[in-house]
Amino acid sequence: GENVEQHPSTLSVQEGDSAVIKCTYSDSASNYFPWYKQELGKRPQLIIDIRSNVGEKKDQRIAVTLNKTAKHFSLHITETQPEDSAVYFCAASMGGSARQLTFGSGTQLTVLP
Amino acid sequence: GAVVSQHPSRVICKSGTSVKIECRSLDFQATTMFWYRQFPKQSLMLMATSNEGSKATYEQGVEKDKFLINHASLTLSTLTVTSAHPEDSSFYICSVPLAGGYEQYFGPGTRLTVT
Repeated sequence: GENVEQHPSTLSVQEGDSAVIKCTYSDSASNYFPWYKQELGKRPQLIIDIRSNVGEKKDQRIAVTLNKTAKHFSLHITETQPEDSAVYFCAASMGGSARQLTFGSGTQLTVLP
Repeated sequence: GAVVSQHPSRVICKSGTSVKIECRSLDFQATTMFWYRQFPKQSLMLMATSNEGSKATYEQGVEKDKFLINHASLTLSTLTVTSAHPEDSSFYICSVPLAGGYEQYFGPGTRLTVT
């Protein structure tokens, strides 16, 4: 089955700096790659996603890049703010009838004011 | 976005008892729902795929006789943790995939504590 690895496990940045989280996946059939932000005790919240037919996607301060050849994708957060502090998960899915998500291990992002 | 509800949000039960968790899709019908489990400071792990009108599909290592799943209607799936033990204490989250799409909508989760 699919295996998703995520790093770093913890990341501290100064407010206003950029944060980058990286993930690799194992199954070349995966074609959907969402990123979630999860606050303590809450459900995962989709912040951005990318499909395999696109190399990059941006939404204001958040961007995701995908390298299908290398099977890795990254989350970029610019101009970080204290409210960005949370746990971030990457995930991969094959879509279609196999839409279950395989999650990475998570990154605890702390934005220091 | 679509609304998915879970009930209860928190439950405390004694070891050996059973607990039922409901997941409801409020906006659209769902032939498939997913159940995930998340231990403290860990990631979400898929437990099973709930299929309306047929048996659930369980991931390797998940005991189907312990985690009973019933998907009796297009808007409701239930997860029953039978003979619960302290090691079953976890955050249980369901998700509903959008038909024909990629995105999934998560329920708010159920915090189960077994004493």
